[in-house]
Amino acid sequence: ILNVEQSPQSLHVQEGDSTNFTCSFPSSNFYALHWYRWETAKSPEALFVMTLNGDEKKKGRISATLNTKEGYSYLYIKGSQPEDSATYLCALYSGAGSYQLTFGKGTKLSVIP
Amino acid sequence: NAGVMQNPRHLVRRRGQEARLRCSPMKGHSHVYWYRQLPEEGLKFMVYLQKENIIDESGMPKERFSAEFPKEGPSILRIQQVVRGDSAAYFCASSPAGTSNLQYFGPGTRLTVT
Repeated sequence: ILNVEQSPQSLHVQEGDSTNFTCSFPSSNFYALHWYRWETAKSPEALFVMTLNGDEKKKGRISATLNTKEGYSYLYIKGSQPEDSATYLCALYSGAGSYQLTFGKGTKLSVIP
Repeated sequence: NAGVMQNPRHLVRRRGQEARLRCSPMKGHSHVYWYRQLPEEGLKFMVYLQKENIIDESGMPKERFSAEFPKEGPSILRIQQVVRGDSAAYFCASSPAGTSNLQYFGPGTRLTVT
């Protein structure tokens, strides 16, 4: 069973603040890492897939970095807005004959206006 | 450009009945995944299908659960003789190619077993 950990579990930031959170995974079981954004009462929305050590992806004010050697990825949100409030999920694809995505439990972000 | 569609959105079944959940992938996507979210838990992989083939069902309970993705029509997740512990949100996702590609999720079906 793969362990994908996300921290913090939740956080509250003021509108305009920048923030970041972490996804940790076993570095020996890496093929690809996904990030998703999940707003309450909606379905998870695809953000990024990252495959290479040192990868950096960006979508608007959201960006992510990847370190496969030490087994972590950071998600950054610059200048948080209330509409960024959501749970951010990372998911590991380990390959090696398995087709499973193993999801972390998510970081719940609340942006206070 | 319709996204992933799931129906019904809400399904209530009595213990012992059958539940059928449907998923139509995004246009052009031939890979379908089913996930379950139990109360207070994260998303758990159940099964990965391509047209007419089950590729990985390692996350499916051994009994009562089955899935198919026929040549024509939606993917179906079938739960026979439902029990209260099957109450959960069931999400379907699709992608144009394999698991290393981003998956696009449907709105989910919330199953309640009474």
